[in-house]
Amino acid sequence: DADVTQTPRNRITKTGKRIMLECSQTKGHDRMYWYRQDPGLGLRLIYYSFDVKDINKGEISDGYSVSRQAQAKFSLSLESAIPNQTALYFCATSDLSTGVLAGELFFGEGSRLTVL
Amino acid sequence: GENVEQHPSTLSVQEGDSAVIKCTYSDSASNYFPWYKQELGKRPQLIIDIRSNVGEKKDQRIAVTLNKTAKHFSLHITETQPEDSAVYFCAAVRRNQGGKLIFGQGTELSVKP
Repeated sequence: DADVTQTPRNRITKTGKRIMLECSQTKGHDRMYWYRQDPGLGLRLIYYSFDVKDINKGEISDGYSVSRQAQAKFSLSLESAIPNQTALYFCATSDLSTGVLAGELFFGEGSRLTVL
Repeated sequence: GENVEQHPSTLSVQEGDSAVIKCTYSDSASNYFPWYKQELGKRPQLIIDIRSNVGEKKDQRIAVTLNKTAKHFSLHITETQPEDSAVYFCAAVRRNQGGKLIFGQGTELSVKP
């Protein structure tokens, strides 16, 4: 089945380290997103990309950067991790062909990051 | 920008009872409102959505209502079952923002047998 795959699924790191979370998808979707989930705060959008040459900041982009290496790959980087970036990170995709307004988001399984 | 508020944060009901989760949004230009369900340890998945040209939508035991004037929408689950236990997220998207969904804070629903 076509899916959205995130690596790593779990990562423990130390303050100041550079971390990359990777996302790849076999759904053939143009749009890709990175969300962060914290208890009581819901899902907050970090960055999104509507195609390979398009990168946009979301609600909470400070401290993060992204790279859209190909239609199927979208990576999230933390250049210098800090403890308040400890969270569950989700990659998601959606299909441009469903319309300009919005389409269903298909989430990956999540990457749990702990920054000590 | 858009802001979505969701209440309650936790909800406990007896099996067979109804559950209602409410969300308000700030941007009157938003016109797509999906609901996602996240079971424990799983990824969020879409369960139902509504567009602003519709006031109500129903799918078996789940329904969503939208009040554009008041800028709020609600999820209704009838005849709740233990497998309905999960975290539910509402979301809204602005008309000219494509798929850039803004989510509410989530509601943890517990259905007790």
